[in-house]
Amino acid sequence: GENVEQHPSTLSVQEGDSAVIKCTYSDSASNYFPWYKQELGKGPQLIIDIRSNVGEKKDQRIAVTLNKTAKHFSLHITETQPEDSAVYFCAASFRHSGGSNYKLTFGKGTLLTVNP
Amino acid sequence: EAQVTQNPRYLITVTGKKLTVTCSQNMNHEYMSWYRQDPGLGLRQIYYSMNVEVTDKGDVPEGYKVSRKEKRNFPLILESPSPNQTSLYFCASSSRVRGEDTQYFGPGTRLTVL
Repeated sequence: GENVEQHPSTLSVQEGDSAVIKCTYSDSASNYFPWYKQELGKGPQLIIDIRSNVGEKKDQRIAVTLNKTAKHFSLHITETQPEDSAVYFCAASFRHSGGSNYKLTFGKGTLLTVNP
Repeated sequence: EAQVTQNPRYLITVTGKKLTVTCSQNMNHEYMSWYRQDPGLGLRQIYYSMNVEVTDKGDVPEGYKVSRKEKRNFPLILESPSPNQTSLYFCASSSRVRGEDTQYFGPGTRLTVL
């Protein structure tokens, strides 16, 4: 089955700096890679995702890059703010034709702390 | 408001006492899943359901049961809970429509088995 490794497990940055979280996956058939943000006491919430037919996707201060050959993908947050502090999870899945990404394999998470 | 709801949010029980955690979604999603979250292990899938009356095991199904009699509901059943099932549980749902298949998570149920 799929295995997703995520690094680092904790990351502390100063407000305004950039933060990068990296993940690798094992199953070359995986074709969907979402990132989730989990705030204290809440369920994970999707912040950005990328499918295997693109190499980069950006949404305001957040970007994700995908290298299919190396089987790794990364989350980039620029101009970090204290409200970005949370646990971030990467995930991978294989979306069957006519199906959905119902089986996500998650990384172990990164606790991001943005210091004011 | 589109949402996934879980009940109860917190539960303390004793070993062997059967319990059910309910999950309901109002988005008419075909797919529903249960995950457990443990420190240092991330989220691991317990069971998933592709539609009514269709369920399958995830990565850690031992000690759990599920049912999908209605599209909106996907209860998680622990017939004989044990302390190693103490965890934070999340229900999630998603559509099968390509491009709309984001998984939406509930708020979580924190279970303690004594």
